[in-house]
Amino acid sequence: DQQVKQNSPSLSVQEGRISILNCDYTNSMFDYFLWYKKYPAEGPTFLISISSIKDKNEDGRFTVFLNKSAKHLSLHIVPSQPGDSAVYFCAARGEYGNKLVFGAGTILRVKS
Amino acid sequence: DAGVIQSPRHEVTEMGQEVTLRCKPISGHNSLFWYRQTMMRGLELLIYFNNNVPIDDSGMPEDRFSAKMPNASFSTLKIQPSEPRDSAVYFCASSTRLAGGFEQYFGPGTRLTVT
Repeated sequence: DQQVKQNSPSLSVQEGRISILNCDYTNSMFDYFLWYKKYPAEGPTFLISISSIKDKNEDGRFTVFLNKSAKHLSLHIVPSQPGDSAVYFCAARGEYGNKLVFGAGTILRVKS
Repeated sequence: DAGVIQSPRHEVTEMGQEVTLRCKPISGHNSLFWYRQTMMRGLELLIYFNNNVPIDDSGMPEDRFSAKMPNASFSTLKIQPSEPRDSAVYFCASSTRLAGGFEQYFGPGTRLTVT
């Protein structure tokens, strides 16, 4: 059973515009959420995180929004740049310990 | 600062052979994680250690897989005997709770091909 779902396999955006990546989760016990970016032949790189006690966290061009009632989070990238083209993974901390549960990923292509 | 170091970066082996993957976590991190990434199953956690002690190995596929962490700066993931279905990219990650979060930092991965 997929507890963290990224329903869009891919997204294409024009340079300078906003990229919005979405993630849904099913377990209401999740209390910490993260976004990772992955380039080919590299490991995932931590981007930004948010605790369940917040609804927004911002870091430069990246903002993560959390809607607990809808069990939904999103990553906004503004403005999008060609270097942002990568696979983006959503992850959630499991019910106990330090385990993270990852979504399947969304491929973002930013066209120049 | 050096990140998580994994070796080898690529491994090609024949079915039935033993394979050992190595990981050096970030200095000062006390949690270490082994993941496997495949097209079919995505990124799945195999096992993780806290303070060198295995905490959760429920993701280890079967007895052919074993992992050890003899000290805070080294871990191995061993597959014996290897099978073609073990072909995947294996990532090691480490983390610390000192900053209050749960961020994990990944190594570059080992691409394993079993023929």
